[in-house]
Amino acid sequence: NAGVTQTPKFRVLKTGQSMTLLCAQDMNHEYMYWYRQDPGMGLRLIHYSVGEGTTAKGEVPDGYNVSRLKKQNFLLGLESAAPSQTSVYFCASSSGDYANTGELFFGEGSRLTVL
Amino acid sequence: GQNIDQPTEMTATEGAIVQINCTYQTSGFNGLFWYQQHAGEAPTFLSYNVLDGLEEKGRFSSFLSRSKGYSYLLLKELQMKDSASYLCAVMDSNYQLIWGAGTKLIIKP
Repeated sequence: NAGVTQTPKFRVLKTGQSMTLLCAQDMNHEYMYWYRQDPGMGLRLIHYSVGEGTTAKGEVPDGYNVSRLKKQNFLLGLESAAPSQTSVYFCASSSGDYANTGELFFGEGSRLTVL
Repeated sequence: GQNIDQPTEMTATEGAIVQINCTYQTSGFNGLFWYQQHAGEAPTFLSYNVLDGLEEKGRFSSFLSRSKGYSYLLLKELQMKDSASYLCAVMDSNYQLIWGAGTKLIIKP
């Protein structure tokens, strides 16, 4: 019953530090996404992947990198954290079959604070 | 540009009915989604509309008018647990989801 799991749930960084957020899904989904959610704004897509070994830029990719070495995992990296990257990060996955509903399954979120 | 508009906050009474509106302007349309998000939790899928009309699912219904760029989510027999944010999202011609900022729904006893 795991679905989409994100680690860590909370993290505090100093400006310039690096970190990686890990997302794991056990639903055999092809598509995976990283979003950030900020107060008063809609979810914004950072990067996404349509399959193992592939990644693509979303709406706000600057300052982030991603990797999808295994189908079930999608990693989001911050090379040099900035206060503007303080946010709640959500990973999501989908089967990619938009002929149906294109429903996204979200992880519980990772709250990142950059001081 | 692409834009999704929905009210920031709404208040309703337990047991009543509430309608949350969403208007959109996007480059193409491949469906509209409603998600529910309780505070501090992940969004969860509620409904999907791709054709005009009303889709009913228990206490929740979602309506779409593509010609007007308009949708609403109707919640009946409101319960305290319905207090949450409701997110409207539209899939554009590139199959990318464009998200509204969400409507925070407050239910009062």
